[in-house]
Amino acid sequence: RKEVEQDPGPFNVPEGATVAFNCTYSNSASQSFFWYRQDCRKEPKLLMSVYSSGNEDGRFTAQLNRASQYISLLIRDSKLSDSATYLCVVTLYSSASKIIFGSGTRLSIRP
Amino acid sequence: NAGVTQTPKFRVLKTGQSMTLLCAQDMNHEYMYWYRQDPGMGLRLIHYSVGEGTTAKGEVPDGYNVSRLKKQNFLLGLESAAPSQTSVYFCASSNSDVGLGNQPQHFGDGTRLSIL
Repeated sequence: RKEVEQDPGPFNVPEGATVAFNCTYSNSASQSFFWYRQDCRKEPKLLMSVYSSGNEDGRFTAQLNRASQYISLLIRDSKLSDSATYLCVVTLYSSASKIIFGSGTRLSIRP
Repeated sequence: NAGVTQTPKFRVLKTGQSMTLLCAQDMNHEYMYWYRQDPGMGLRLIHYSVGEGTTAKGEVPDGYNVSRLKKQNFLLGLESAAPSQTSVYFCASSNSDVGLGNQPQHFGDGTRLSIL
């Protein structure tokens, strides 16, 4: 089983729709969680950290479910510019070598 | 705002050749990382550094060496390139341990390396 798993997609949704995807992690000792966005042939960029109580940044909401070991990302009122691959990142313990990237979920927003 | 800068952006090598990828950051970050990204896979950590003069192995270190002689620079070397090392390489830096206080990583824009 992979340490961090994501549905590769693609998720193809119309502009204005709400879309959500999850990321599961296998190690219950995981400490920090992030969502990164990666555009085609570009570098990953931090979208948002994921806090235990859940957090929101504009149209984006991230949640953490430690009991079921997953994090989620919800995008409301999706825009064409939201088309990208969304990477889930999980850190284990407090170690620079234990940063695990998911392989990403591809999202495509159609007009 | 330069952030993290990688050179070169593209390179084609023949099997057996050597080269060095340079990563420079101007944010005074302590931690620096080298990753490779292959199709359908997440970023995989090659080597990392927690401070000037220190380096450590990551998940896929074989065939690579690194050096961190100056805090702002992290070099990745391929001594004898192999086709399996064809990939996109990303350098990243962070202010401290990512696992503490949700410190994010800042990425360079990548080096596309092809080994023939």
